[in-house]
Amino acid sequence: DTGVSQDPRHKITKRGQNVTFRCDPISEHNRLYWYRQTLGQGPEFLTYFQNEAQLEKSRLLSDRFSAERPKGSFSTLEIQRTEQGDSAMYLCASSSYSGSSNYGYTFGSGTRLTVV
Amino acid sequence: AQSVTQLDSQVPVFEEAPVELRCNYSSSVSVYLFWYVQYPNQGLQLLLKYLSGSTLVESINGFEAEFNKSQTSFHLRKPSVHISDTAEYFCAVSGGDNYGQNFVFGPGTRLSVLP
Repeated sequence: DTGVSQDPRHKITKRGQNVTFRCDPISEHNRLYWYRQTLGQGPEFLTYFQNEAQLEKSRLLSDRFSAERPKGSFSTLEIQRTEQGDSAMYLCASSSYSGSSNYGYTFGSGTRLTVV
Repeated sequence: AQSVTQLDSQVPVFEEAPVELRCNYSSSVSVYLFWYVQYPNQGLQLLLKYLSGSTLVESINGFEAEFNKSQTSFHLRKPSVHISDTAEYFCAVSGGDNYGQNFVFGPGTRLSVLP
């Protein structure tokens, strides 16, 4: 098991362009989370999936943001019409959830987005 | 709603000196508390966590934290720091209506260990 993988590690894009990030969770984990971390701040929750179902979205997730987990395995986070304020580290995490227990919460190394 | 406060944004300390990184939280329900460490250009790594039982929890690299319910605190301590401990430390809470879903993180404390 190689942990949670995120691709790419770094992305520089021009304002107005669309970008897509990918996250591969730990294979046996059924939950997958997306967070955003801006410079000097702690991570902020964006959304999470249980298997392929998106169960919660933060109000931080504007209409320009969309996340999918089509087969309950990897997930993609797309940002349309990027703005400079979208520049941040985007972190993915996964865990194994059963009933009231949540195990093995593990973060990936993140994708750093710079919008110029 | 839950929130986490880390009053010290930066803590410089000399090598082999003790250190305490403060964390206070607010929640109307029972919580689970965590400390994560982030090295430059890396993701978050779990340092230690309090779920239940003993209020003093320890990590494998010498850090410890004590859950104090009356003071709603979960301060992180180490009796003797090393250069390699230089990193950003985040306190996080999960629980109540957030349990099993997501964390609420504090703003972080940058620990700089000086030679």
